[in-house]
Amino acid sequence: EAEVAQSPRYKITEKSQAVAFWCDPISGHATLYWYRQILGQGPELLVQFQDESVVDDSQLPKDRFSAERLKGVDSTLKIQPAELGDSAMYLCASSLASFGGIKTDTQYFGPGTRLTVL
Amino acid sequence: QKEVEQNSGPLSVPEGAIASLNCTYSDRGSQSFFWYRQYSGKSPELIMSIYSNGDKEDGRFTAQLNKASQYVSLLIRDSQPSDSATYLCAAGWGAQKLVFGQGTRLTINP
Repeated sequence: EAEVAQSPRYKITEKSQAVAFWCDPISGHATLYWYRQILGQGPELLVQFQDESVVDDSQLPKDRFSAERLKGVDSTLKIQPAELGDSAMYLCASSLASFGGIKTDTQYFGPGTRLTVL
Repeated sequence: QKEVEQNSGPLSVPEGAIASLNCTYSDRGSQSFFWYRQYSGKSPELIMSIYSNGDKEDGRFTAQLNKASQYVSLLIRDSQPSDSATYLCAAGWGAQKLVFGQGTRLTINP
């Protein structure tokens, strides 16, 4: 069964350091999402890609966060410098995204990266 | 601001009983709704999607949608201890976006 891959699974870093997360979506899925989930809350969208283009990054703290999906397949999310408040689960999801319809395609999540900033 | 509201719980249900999880959404334009299950420390996994008013059944799970009331629910019949998890409700809207609720923590007591 096809799955979304993410690495690393866990990351511990000190504040002011740089961290990077990687995601490989399900093959053939054009849309890729990065979410942040704080303990006890639902996932919140950080950035959405359609192929290699950013569709929505309105909630991405652009002073410290960056995301890219250069060839429209795998993606990297970077934080520099990390702050204590960045401690959270970072989730990657992908969907087929059949644009033109009114229905929203199912999003499938990877295992996530648990980030702890000390 | 598009919002999805869930009772955060915890909801405690005895084993074998029916667990009922509820969700309301603010955007009348939402057409797609999803229930995800999330075990502690794990990522969300899809349980069911529902797009039309009424009930949709899949095994022990039944999703119910009432667009007029902007209400979605998930029923779990014959609850098992393995059903203990946080259940996330999500509403879809334009450009393939999902808005998630804060999740309801469900505990099934043996």
